[in-house]
Amino acid sequence: GIQVEQSPPDLILQEGANSTLRCNFSDSVNNLQWFHQNPWGQLINLFYIPSGTKQNGRLSATTVATERYSLLYISSSQTTDSGVYFCAVDLVSGGAQKLVFGQGTRLTINP
Amino acid sequence: DAGITQSPRHKVTETGTPVTLRCHQTENHRYMYWYRQDPGHGLRLIHYSYGVKDTDKGEVSDGYSVSRSKTEDFLLTLESATSSQTSVYFCAISAQSGANVLTFGAGSRLTVL
Repeated sequence: GIQVEQSPPDLILQEGANSTLRCNFSDSVNNLQWFHQNPWGQLINLFYIPSGTKQNGRLSATTVATERYSLLYISSSQTTDSGVYFCAVDLVSGGAQKLVFGQGTRLTINP
Repeated sequence: DAGITQSPRHKVTETGTPVTLRCHQTENHRYMYWYRQDPGHGLRLIHYSYGVKDTDKGEVSDGYSVSRSKTEDFLLTLESATSSQTSVYFCAISAQSGANVLTFGAGSRLTVL
């Protein structure tokens, strides 16, 4: 099956710093999503980005499908950005999603 | 948890007992999913549903069954719980069309003693 690797596994930063999280995947995908799991366990969808670049406030994401990776950028980090960030992929788009998740990157933002 | 409710949120049970987790949605989405989250494994798909009475297996379906008798409800049953099924279980939904992102419920923490 498809493999998803995220790096780094852990990242500790000071408030105000910028960060880049990476997601590599082993096969061509037509569905890629980024999620944030906050310290209380809630999973929030950040981006649906099988290709191209999207931005939402201080967060942006880029997927280079031909090279099988995606990047999540967080600028001017805030303590509320802490949590675990997951990348998830599926070979197909549309219909029932059978997303395969990476192990996540645990981000800690210190005040 | 807009539109998705999981119950119970916490449960402690003993090995060998049956357990049913419920997922209820008010979004009228076609697709519903059950995932489990374990340290070192991320989230893994257990079962999913693509309509009333239409379900299929995911990556880690052994020991689990599901049912969907109404669009809004998706039940996950552990017929005889084992300690290896101690986990946090997440329900998720997605729409039929558009950028059908996955939306998760708040999770149900199950401990099997």
